[in-house]
Amino acid sequence: EDQVTQSPEALRLQEGESSSLNCSYTVSGLRGLFWYRQDPGKGPEFLFTLYSAGEEKEKERLKATLTKKESFLHITAPKPEDSATYLCAAYSGNTPLVFGKGTRLSVIA
Amino acid sequence: DAGVIQSPRHEVTEMGQEVTLRCKPISGHNSLFWYRQTMMRGLELLIYFNNNVPIDDSGMPEDRFSAKMPNASFSTLKIQPSEPRDSAVYFCASSPQAGQPQHFGDGTRLSIL
Repeated sequence: EDQVTQSPEALRLQEGESSSLNCSYTVSGLRGLFWYRQDPGKGPEFLFTLYSAGEEKEKERLKATLTKKESFLHITAPKPEDSATYLCAAYSGNTPLVFGKGTRLSVIA
Repeated sequence: DAGVIQSPRHEVTEMGQEVTLRCKPISGHNSLFWYRQTMMRGLELLIYFNNNVPIDDSGMPEDRFSAKMPNASFSTLKIQPSEPRDSAVYFCASSPQAGQPQHFGDGTRLSIL
């Protein structure tokens, strides 16, 4: 059974304090790894897709990387507006996206 | 461009009542997904459609839940009869094809008293 596990469940950072979120996946034949951002009262918002190990994608202060077993979302010099829940999801081609439970990020000014 | 549109945004009703949630996907998207989100279980896929045809409904919790997609621009998720444990946020999402990034609506927050 395909599984996605995210850690930590919650992360509290000071503004400017860089860190990484982890997404471990057990998927037979990964065909895509997706990152989403979810703000309170909103639906998840698509950020990145990664397709193969070694691939990296960047958007402002966020950079997503992928290995054969996990993906990281690196946040460089975060700002309070980066506070949100970050979700990752894996796609194997056999089933639709399998989501992790997310990491709740709080950035304190 | 209009995103995925869900209605109502909030629904409060008494147990035993029928609840109907509505979704308008992004035009041109061929895949539509219904999810349920709770703190305990996170985001759970209930059912998805490709080209208006239900492909996998194994996530539908019970026979009380049903979903339809009568055309490419409209889908409903119905709960009858509703129970307090159905309280959650229900999301609809669409994508051009299965496996491509899904775009989510802002959800329906359902409270069953």
